[in-house]
Amino acid sequence: QVQLVQSGAEVKKPGASVKVSCKASGFTISDYYIHWVRQAPGQGLEWMGVVTPTSGSPSLAQKFQVRVTMTRDTSTSTVYMEFSSLRSEDTAVYYCARREGSSWYSHSAMDVWGQGTAVSVSS
Amino acid sequence: DIVMTQSPLSLPVTPGEPASISCRSSQSLLHTNGNNYLDWYLQRPGQSPQLLIYLGSTRASGVPDRFSGSGSGTDFTLKISRVEAEDVGVYYCMQPLQTPITFGQGTRLEIK
Repeated sequence: QVQLVQSGAEVKKPGASVKVSCKASGFTISDYYIHWVRQAPGQGLEWMGVVTPTSGSPSLAQKFQVRVTMTRDTSTSTVYMEFSSLRSEDTAVYYCARREGSSWYSHSAMDVWGQGTAVSVSS
Repeated sequence: DIVMTQSPLSLPVTPGEPASISCRSSQSLLHTNGNNYLDWYLQRPGQSPQLLIYLGSTRASGVPDRFSGSGSGTDFTLKISRVEAEDVGVYYCMQPLQTPITFGQGTRLEIK
């Protein structure tokens, strides 16, 4: 069964770090772009960045380049998003999603999404 | 960054009636390969987003044919021919043409 299963909810204090995992099953993660999208409470969707298929290197939105790291472990089919120096405004649900990776301009889209990981940042 | 603007932001619809959502981009989403890089997603209450339409007009696998996407360049439309109760949620357009990938603000469809 093709799916992305994310790690459980987290509660963190301001200044702490969090590492969210996204485990793939039913497909090979090195064949796909794995995107991260977040959604603050009651708000819309915000793209954070992507782990590229061939090299596994990340491409991050500018606002996340300092505090966010995205990595991949092909041996466990897991992609990670680590967010440091957390602030209250980082409270959100974080989603991973896959997109077929033959080319950035392939005939595909984010067709499988994880269930989301709620991260709450509060003192 | 490409700015995506949706309208309306709220859409009350009577079951069985049609619905239409507009999405405009600040730059053309038409690639030189002839494809429009515009996707539509539905986020039902309490759920993850799900893909409805990609490349402007291609329905994703399993999506009912009452959903259709059209448009090119900077103007796109999602149409639902006959709204059903299960269509309730927030609809987002998204451009994957260039990074940063950007989403519209979302259109909340509710049943009258």
